[in-house]
Amino acid sequence: GESVGLHLPTLSVQEGDNSIINCAYSNSASDYFIWYKQESGKGPQFIIDIRSNMDKRQGQRVTVLLNKTVKHLSLQIAATQPGDSAVYFCAEVIQGAQKLVFGQGTRLTINP
Amino acid sequence: GAGVSQTPSNKVTEKGKYVELRCDPISGHTALYWYRQSLGQGPEFLIYFQGTGAADDSGLPNDRFFAVRPEGSVSTLKIQRTERGDSAVYLCASSLGPTSYEQYFGPGTRLTVT
Repeated sequence: GESVGLHLPTLSVQEGDNSIINCAYSNSASDYFIWYKQESGKGPQFIIDIRSNMDKRQGQRVTVLLNKTVKHLSLQIAATQPGDSAVYFCAEVIQGAQKLVFGQGTRLTINP
Repeated sequence: GAGVSQTPSNKVTEKGKYVELRCDPISGHTALYWYRQSLGQGPEFLIYFQGTGAADDSGLPNDRFFAVRPEGSVSTLKIQRTERGDSAVYLCASSLGPTSYEQYFGPGTRLTVT
């Protein structure tokens, strides 16, 4: 069925290091992907998106990579800061639908 | 500007009771979504409104769940005969319109059914 999953449920990195969060998706008809950050007690916060006709997109300290051949998505965060500690979700939009399909999430912890 | 707001932030109710959860989307956003998030899981889609009409309600789990958006702005999610399994955080999101996939989420309503 439709699913978006993550390789690692938890990730710890040292402050200042780069982090990479991975996501696998199963629906080849998905044409849009978003990464969200969710802090405790808050709703998901939009970080960056990418359309299926792209393989890379950069934002401020974040880069999303899309590999459609293996249905893999990654979020790279450069020079991590304590405020980056949160749960990160990838989500996909299947072509023709409007809803987001989320994965389980990865908890990112930044160690001082 | 103001983001998506949801009320109440917390709701505790007894099994079998009726509850209403409210969402106030970002001004000018015509698309509105409801999701449900269980502990440790990603949000799960419930229903999507474009304007006043429900364009996709395929995620509603059963007929105890119903949502309305009578004037195309504020939406109310209604749950009848609540069950303990309904306990979750209910999230609302809005986007500019049907061609915009960028959804902005509210803080959620934490529903606890005792």
